[in-house]
Amino acid sequence: QVQPQQWGAGLLKPSETLSLTCGVYGGSSGGHSWSWVRQTPGKGLEWIGKVNSGGSDNSNPSLKSRVAMSLDTSKRRFSLKLSAVTAADTGLYYCGRVNDNSFYLDVWGIGTTVTVSS
Amino acid sequence: QSALTQPASVSGSPGQSITISCTGASTDIGTYDFVSWYQQHPGNAPKLVIYDVNERPSGISDRFSGSKSGNTASLTISGLQPADEAHYYCSSFASLDSLVVFGGGTKLTVL
Repeated sequence: QVQPQQWGAGLLKPSETLSLTCGVYGGSSGGHSWSWVRQTPGKGLEWIGKVNSGGSDNSNPSLKSRVAMSLDTSKRRFSLKLSAVTAADTGLYYCGRVNDNSFYLDVWGIGTTVTVSS
Repeated sequence: QSALTQPASVSGSPGQSITISCTGASTDIGTYDFVSWYQQHPGNAPKLVIYDVNERPSGISDRFSGSKSGNTASLTISGLQPADEAHYYCSSFASLDSLVVFGGGTKLTVL
């Protein structure tokens, strides 16, 4: 059973870069796409983007200029970087496995709380 | 403001059935059968309960069912149980920006 585990800095100052990593253990990480979703007070659930097994990524146009995602299949990890954060980026960030054909997330991490405050 | 519109809350008594609607547009729900529903209990991550409009993942009770008509998708929960009390979110692929959009969530209260 695949179980994503997340880690990364939870407290940031405005203009800093958010950096989160999701490790995929307990099953095969190969041949799957992986996604980041956040839950914020202002916008509820919001799709950040996904990265496929070949390393190609697709991100939310509203965040695209600030988002970078990568996948390291040898280490069974995928990462998210979000630059120039503001208070509006405060929220709960989830990683998860996404179905390439239908875009649903069938496995979710437990979430990482990120707070942006000066 | 979310791309998909859901009622803020619904309620029902144990044993009853409830339906949660999710209204989108022709560029998402209206064109694609890539509608999914998630259940979220407080303090937990969302959990997939329906995908591809009306398919249930392994382990999800057949009390959960989904449907779609035009630009609106629906989640029906029959035989309500106290454990069903949670927030429910719909989601769909959206071609406008080639991304996934979510509804604002519906709080289900089992009275």
